[in-house]
Amino acid sequence: LAKTTQPISMDSYEGQEVNITCSHNNIATNDYITWYQQFPSQGPRFIIQGYKTKVTNEVASLFIPADRKSSTLSLPRVSLSDTAVYYCLVGEGNYQLIWGAGTKLIIKP
Amino acid sequence: IAGITQAPTSQILAAGRRMTLRCTQDMRHNAMYWYRQDLGLGLRLIHYSNTAGTTGKGEVPDGYSVSRANTDDFPLTLASAVPSQTSVYFCASSDSGGAIPYNEQFFGPGTRLTVL
Repeated sequence: LAKTTQPISMDSYEGQEVNITCSHNNIATNDYITWYQQFPSQGPRFIIQGYKTKVTNEVASLFIPADRKSSTLSLPRVSLSDTAVYYCLVGEGNYQLIWGAGTKLIIKP
Repeated sequence: IAGITQAPTSQILAAGRRMTLRCTQDMRHNAMYWYRQDLGLGLRLIHYSNTAGTTGKGEVPDGYSVSRANTDDFPLTLASAVPSQTSVYFCASSDSGGAIPYNEQFFGPGTRLTVL
């Protein structure tokens, strides 16, 4: 089971691009990389998932280098409402996911 | 459109009592999950079910049981609650379970349980 390492906390300012990097040195061939967002008193919400290279959707981009030992979640032009905890997950399937403590992102005005 | 509902929202329970947390989804998802989240930590998988009639153990199954009689419902039972089971419990569902690539999980609002 692949474990992940991500910063405990980060802060930024409204309108900035925020990049959160996750390390997963022992990622396996079949593992996908998934990011979730969690607001206080709510369940996590799926942001983005990828296997290699770059994935982009309407809210974020996910950059994965060729060796797949790390990944970076990029949030363009953040707002105060992006203040949340962000989880990086690596696994072959939902039953094998290990949820770490996540990165607490604080956006300042 | 409800998605996933959980009941109760919160509960204070005396140690030794039996408690069932309810979870219902209306998305016809095959897979369902129960997690616990302790203060400042990530989620830990308790039990899962990849289809009606089947269940499996997650990372921390001891002290908990589940059943999956139909697609929509996935109750979690604490047979004899202990203070260490004080936590926030989240139910989730996904269109598939262990299949690759695994589909995103949709989470309920959580149940805050305090065992005294």
